[in-house]
Order: sequence, then structure tokens, then C-alpha cells
Amino acid sequence: NAGVMQNPRHLVRRRGQEARLRCSPMKGHSHVYWYRQLPEEGLKFMVYLQKENIIDESGMPKERFSAEFPKEGPSILRIQQVVRGDSAAYFCASSPQGGRGDTQYFGPGTRLTVL
Amino acid sequence: KQEVTQIPAALSVPEGENLVLNCSFTDSAIYNLQWFRQDPGKGLTSLLLIQSSQREQTSGRLNASLDKSSGRSTLYIAASQPGDSATYLCAVRNEAGSYQLTFGKGTKLSVIP
Repeated sequence: NAGVMQNPRHLVRRRGQEARLRCSPMKGHSHVYWYRQLPEEGLKFMVYLQKENIIDESGMPKERFSAEFPKEGPSILRIQQVVRGDSAAYFCASSPQGGRGDTQYFGPGTRLTVL
Repeated sequence: KQEVTQIPAALSVPEGENLVLNCSFTDSAIYNLQWFRQDPGKGLTSLLLIQSSQREQTSGRLNASLDKSSGRSTLYIAASQPGDSATYLCAVRNEAGSYQLTFGKGTKLSVIP
């Protein structure tokens, strides 16, 4: 059973461009979580999604960031008009059922560098 | 708002030494606490998960303890090996925010051969 997959692993963008980060959850998992790790900081929760639904986006910046988890295909974290402060590692996690008792399994992350 | 602190930020020990990593959290109303390992350029590997009703969990050379009332957890690594070199992260799941994990900044461990 393959683990959580994220691509690309490394992404370089210039200021003002768009970044699209993809996350394929583990097989059988329908809950996805995105976290961001800024340099020298701990991971911070961004958003929690189920298939076709955003459950909690309280950690998402108000502008330029959006996330989706369509019925088919991976979850996408989209950052429009990137700025240097967006440079970070973005981790995706998935779980089978959601809720407090569910273990989150993390992917390898996407390292975004904004020039 | 839950805050998680890990001390020390970095630690260097000779191979074979026993060591303790510390984690503290400000809100004791947690559901569980988890220790992760993060290798450079890689994702997080879950090491141990302690439910709020438990006092400790053990896996091989690792032992994690939890004192919920005082807001503290320790990760004990016995007979350290160079392969243990990594960043160790502590994360708590609150009773209120059921799915969010709140992470500390981690302790970077280097085990010197």
C-alpha cells in the first residue's frame, strides 16, 4: 500500500507566478490535511478537506491560497501570485475516517522556493 | 491557543549515550500526543502516540512519557546510534480541535560515531 504521495517534491517559482501542489492520499483514505513548515518553524495546520468538501480552512491565509479535493484525482493546494514569504515546505497528510481517533499519515512534502 | 515548545532546539551526543528530549504544551486539555521523526528532505515518520489517558508508550529503544496535568512529555532514546540523527517533532491533538495537530519546532539530534 503506497503511502501519501506529493508532487512535485521541489518547486521553484518567481514572484507573481502560481504554484500548484498535489497530494494523493493513501489508498482508502478520504480525508486530507495540509500543513506548512516555514524555515525554523514548526508545522502549522492550514486546511482539512474531505472529498469535494472543505471542512476547516481556518489556517489558510485569507488571500491567494486555495485548496480542493475533487471526487476524482489528487488534492490540490494552489498559491496564486507567490511571494518570497511563501517559501516553505508544504506537507500533506491523509487519514481514513477523520476525527480525533484517526492517525494522520504524512507525505514527503513539497519544498517551494520563490525567487 | 495551544502552544508546543521543545527543548533543546539542538542536541549532539556521542554514540551509545542515553538521551531525553522534552516537549511542553500550554493547554492540558489534549486528546493525544505524538512524537515524529523528520529526516532532511523527507516527510514525517510517526514514532509513538500516547493517548491522554496513558502515561507512557514504548517502542524498541524509544520510550515516551506523558504528564498531562503538567503539560509535559519526554522522549527517551536508549543507546543512541548515528542512524537516530534526525529532527524529532512533538505534536498534540486538542480535545476541542479534533483533527488539527499542533507541532513544536523540533529538536535536531546529532549522534556522533
